Amino acid sequence: QKEVEQNSGPLSVPEGAIASLNCTYSDRVSQSFFWYRQYSGKSPELIMSIYSNGDKEDGRFTAQLNKASQYVSLLIRDSQPSDSATYLCAVNEARGSTLGRLYFGRGTQLTVWP
Amino acid sequence: DVKVTQSSRYLVKRTGEKVFLECVQDMDHENMFWYRQDPGLGLRLIYFSYDVKMKEKGDIPEGYSVSREKKERFSLILESASTNQTSMYLCASSSQGGRSHEQYFGPGTRLTVT
Repeated sequence: QKEVEQNSGPLSVPEGAIASLNCTYSDRVSQSFFWYRQYSGKSPELIMSIYSNGDKEDGRFTAQLNKASQYVSLLIRDSQPSDSATYLCAVNEARGSTLGRLYFGRGTQLTVWP
Repeated sequence: DVKVTQSSRYLVKRTGEKVFLECVQDMDHENMFWYRQDPGLGLRLIYFSYDVKMKEKGDIPEGYSVSREKKERFSLILESASTNQTSMYLCASSSQGGRSHEQYFGPGTRLTVT
């Protein structure tokens, strides 16, 4: 069973701060990494995908990938109360990878207070 | 725009009933997935399918079966519902090939078995 580990939190930051969410994974040959946002009572929504080492920025969100350390993170700049949600990290099945199975962490709950 | 729909948002069934959960996607995706999500346990994969009439067991297939007769539709069947199958059920789909693996989720079905 592949492991995807996240700090369960809760993580609490003030409005305007940077929220940092972390994820480690066990399968060294994984190639695709994703961050999902899930509001309470709703389904997960894909917010970032990253495939190469380094940073990928999309608006206030930055995903960072370090395959050597088997580590992926999500930074949220200028955090807003509307960012309060659970964030799920997901990593692809690395073998027979066209099947597209993802392994999910249990999520980090983020609260942004005004 | 990406669209995954599920037949019901809320469902209440009695113990022993046969339950059908339907999922339809309009993105021409090859892969489809059924998860359940429970507090503290995260997303757990029940079954997935990478082609019409094909299916693969996930991590918790016991008590469930699936059917995929058409590319756009993936059904989850609870042969004889039990109270421990009370949960949020989420369907997702993704395309094959390249680096995709991005899974898109439906809104979920909250099933209560009494």
